[in-house]
Amino acid sequence: GENVEQHPSTLSVQEGDSAVIKCTYSDSASNYFPWYKQELGKRPQLIIDIRSNVGEKKDQRIAVTLNKTAKHFSLHITETQPEDSAVYFCASGGSNYQLIWGAGTKLIIKP
Amino acid sequence: SQTIHQWPATLVQPVGSPLSLECTVEGTSNPNLYWYRQAAGRGLQLLFYSVGIGQISSEVPQNLSASRPQDRQFILSSKKLLLSDSGFYLCAWETGTGTYAYEQYFGPGTRLTVT
Repeated sequence: GENVEQHPSTLSVQEGDSAVIKCTYSDSASNYFPWYKQELGKRPQLIIDIRSNVGEKKDQRIAVTLNKTAKHFSLHITETQPEDSAVYFCASGGSNYQLIWGAGTKLIIKP
Repeated sequence: SQTIHQWPATLVQPVGSPLSLECTVEGTSNPNLYWYRQAAGRGLQLLFYSVGIGQISSEVPQNLSASRPQDRQFILSSKKLLLSDSGFYLCAWETGTGTYAYEQYFGPGTRLTVT
C-alpha cells in the first residue's frame, strides 16, 4: 500500500546549526506535502507545505524541497533555536481525502 | 476564523466502559473531518474520516465507531473500551473542495487512559 518513510527518527543538532529531515513517498499520484510540528503534549501544527507544481518553498528559517522524479521531499531548518525542539511529521496527500503520514522525527537542539 | 474544539481534554476510564468523544468546528461549512489516535511516543493513526453528514469511512477495524450527526460535529464512540485504546485522540478538519488533499488542522486532543 501507500506509505511515507521518514528519516532520521531522531536528530540532534547544535543550536545555530541546520537540521534536515527527509521523507520518501510511494504514491506517484501524491500532489500535496505538508510538514507538522508537535511539541510535547500538544497538537500537531502545520508549519509549511508544498504542492507538486513547485520545487521549493521558504518561510523565514524553514524551507521544504520536493523532487517528484525521485519521490522525496525534505524539511530544512536553519539557525536552529531551542524552541525548534519537537517531533516533526511529514505527510503526502493525493486524491482520496487522506494524508499518509511519516513516523516522525524527534529533533533535539543542544545548547 | 475557524476553530476546532474537543472535549473532554483528559479522560480516565476503566476497561469495558463506554466512550464518547466530541469534536466541533466553527467558522467553516462542510469540512472534511478526521479522527486520529496517537499512542505514547508514536505517530498518527487515522481511525475515521467523514466528507459529509452521515458519511463515515473507517480505516482500522476495531471496537471504535464514529458518527457525524451535524455538519460540524464529529463523535467518536466505543461500547467497551480496551486497554489498547489508551492514547491521544485528535480530531482534524480540512476545507477540501473536490477530492484533493488540503491542509488539515487539529483540535487540542483528548488524552484517554484506560485502566
